[in-house]
Amino acid sequence: AQTVTQSQPEMSVQEAETVTLSCTYDTSESDYYLFWYKQPPSRQMILVIRQEAYKQQNATENRFSVNFQKAAKSFSLKISDSQLGDAAMYFCAYSGSARQLTFGSGTQLTVLP
Amino acid sequence: DTEVTQTPKHLVMGMTNKKSLKCEQHMGHRAMYWYKQKAKKPPELMFVYSYEKLSINESVPSRFSPECPNSSLLNLHLHALQPEDSALYLCASSQDRGLGSPLHFGNGTRLTVT
Repeated sequence: AQTVTQSQPEMSVQEAETVTLSCTYDTSESDYYLFWYKQPPSRQMILVIRQEAYKQQNATENRFSVNFQKAAKSFSLKISDSQLGDAAMYFCAYSGSARQLTFGSGTQLTVLP
Repeated sequence: DTEVTQTPKHLVMGMTNKKSLKCEQHMGHRAMYWYKQKAKKPPELMFVYSYEKLSINESVPSRFSPECPNSSLLNLHLHALQPEDSALYLCASSQDRGLGSPLHFGNGTRLTVT
């Protein structure tokens, strides 16, 4: 079975600074996708970024980018120029042959003004 | 604005009540999902519908009964719930159940069972 591990229950960052959230996963599959979702206090889970395992190029979406290390099974999220609106719970997730999301335990990000 | 609409936003019910949660999407998605989420925990998958057919039931107690009347609507019927069923219930949809098809979530229904 696949597992997703987020080892940082809480992180904080100063506004306008950069922060990196860690995620590791375990799988024997070769074809899969990895996702980062954020969940602000409004409760809605919002897709931040998606990475296909076969693509070597790291995905980027504006201020959000990933460092995908397939051999190390690592998928970290970098948030640049952090904004107050980035404060949320961030979940790393895996989707493979079962076509179901396996979520990590989450990292609560606080942005300090 | 969320493209997946869930009603009600909050629900308080007694253990003998019958209630329903509703979810609607108009993105033409053919897969819809129910998740249960406890505070500060990741969502747990309950049910998956694909092309209006139930494709996954993650050993959910029978007091939870899903229904997919059409491709845009998803209901979750609740009956004889227990206090431990209090949680945030999230609905999601995706274009299909393809490998990389991202899920779009609603704002959830906060359920309290008294």
